[in-house]
This record gives sequence, structure tokens and C-alpha cells, in this order.
Amino acid sequence: DTGVSQDPRHKITKRGQNVTFRCDPISEHNRLYWYRQTLGQGPEFLTYFQNEAQLEKSRLLSDRFSAERPKGSFSTLEIQRTEQGDSAMYLCASSLGGTVRNEKLFFGSGTQLSVL
Amino acid sequence: AQSVTQLGSHVSVSEGALVLLRCNYSSSVPPYLFWYVQYPNQGLQLLLKYTTGATLVKGINGFEAEFKKSETSFHLTKPSAHMSDAAEYFCAASWTSGSRLTFGEGTQLTVNP
Repeated sequence: DTGVSQDPRHKITKRGQNVTFRCDPISEHNRLYWYRQTLGQGPEFLTYFQNEAQLEKSRLLSDRFSAERPKGSFSTLEIQRTEQGDSAMYLCASSLGGTVRNEKLFFGSGTQLSVL
Repeated sequence: AQSVTQLGSHVSVSEGALVLLRCNYSSSVPPYLFWYVQYPNQGLQLLLKYTTGATLVKGINGFEAEFKKSETSFHLTKPSAHMSDAAEYFCAASWTSGSRLTFGEGTQLTVNP
């Protein structure tokens, strides 16, 4: 079990640039979630996938954000025209699915984005 | 609006002392409730969760939490703190399917020797 892998661990970019993060879930996990965590706050839900289908998106996910999971395996999160307010830790989690009663999420270590 | 509140962003205890981390939710509908722990440079790890049934839930590493509907609370406790318990703890709730979690702000636990 290699766990949920996120790449890169850290990303520093200038305001206005585009960035893309990658998440590799645990093999055979069909659900994949993206959360964002700012300093001193708990994670906030962004979006989630069931296989390749994006089933839910938070209002936090502005038009500048797009997430994909093209083959139902890895996922990418792209932020276009980054703003300083986008600086945060972006967390990915995966699970085998099921109901809330039996679903268990496994989180990656996150990608820390700093927008200068 | 549905929300989760953790009272105390920092809690400090002595090794061997009781750990009590507070969590309250705001909603007329009781959610599913979770506690996660985050160690430095590691992903969030599930400690325990309440869905239905017994209101006292036991988790890993000796932690337990009790769901009290009348108080809209889900406080986390451990009888005797270990140095290894030092970490950030997050309470979370889900009112929907698909484990869309609403997290509290987190509580940083420090354990003093």
C-alpha cells in the first residue's frame, strides 16, 4: 500500500500564472476528493469524483479551478490565473466508496501552493 | 448554515493527563461525525467516527468520543496523554453522502513531559 501520492509537495508561483497539481490515489480506489486547507483553518471540500465522473463541486471552486480524472485513476487540479488568495495546502483523498457508514478516506500529504 | 466548531485552537496537557478536545456542530439534523489527526508532513488520519448506534465511539491510539445530541457535541478524550499524541486534531461532520466533510478549525495538542 503506497498510500495517496501528491505531486509536487511544494509549488511557488507568481500571481497570474497557471499551476497544475497531480494526485495518485490508492490503487482500485474509485472515489477521489480534493480539499483545500489554509493556514489556521480546517480543510474545505472542493470537489469529488466517482471513477471518472465529477459528481460534486463546491462553490469555492471558481471558474479558474478545474479538476479532472480522465481514466478514473489519477486526478489533476488546475488553477488558472493564480491569485494570492489561492495560497493554501491542497489535499487529495481517496476511498473505495460505499456509504458514509463504511467509507474510509485516505489522505495524501498535500501540495503546498504559495502565490507571490 | 451547517458548521463545525472546535473550542480552543491550542490545548496543552502534561504527559499522563486527561486529553479533552471539544467539538460542537451546528445543525438541526445530526450529522455523521469524525475525528482526524494530522502529524507534521503527513496526511490526515481517521481516529474514529460516529454514524449510528452506540453514542460512545472508540478509536485508535486509545481515543474515544461521545456523541451527545442534546448538546450537539462530539468531544474527543483520552485518559492518559502520551508524547506521541502531540499533533493537530480536526473534528469533521458529514450531512450528505459521498463523505463530503465539513471540518472544524483544528486544535493543536501539545503534550508536555
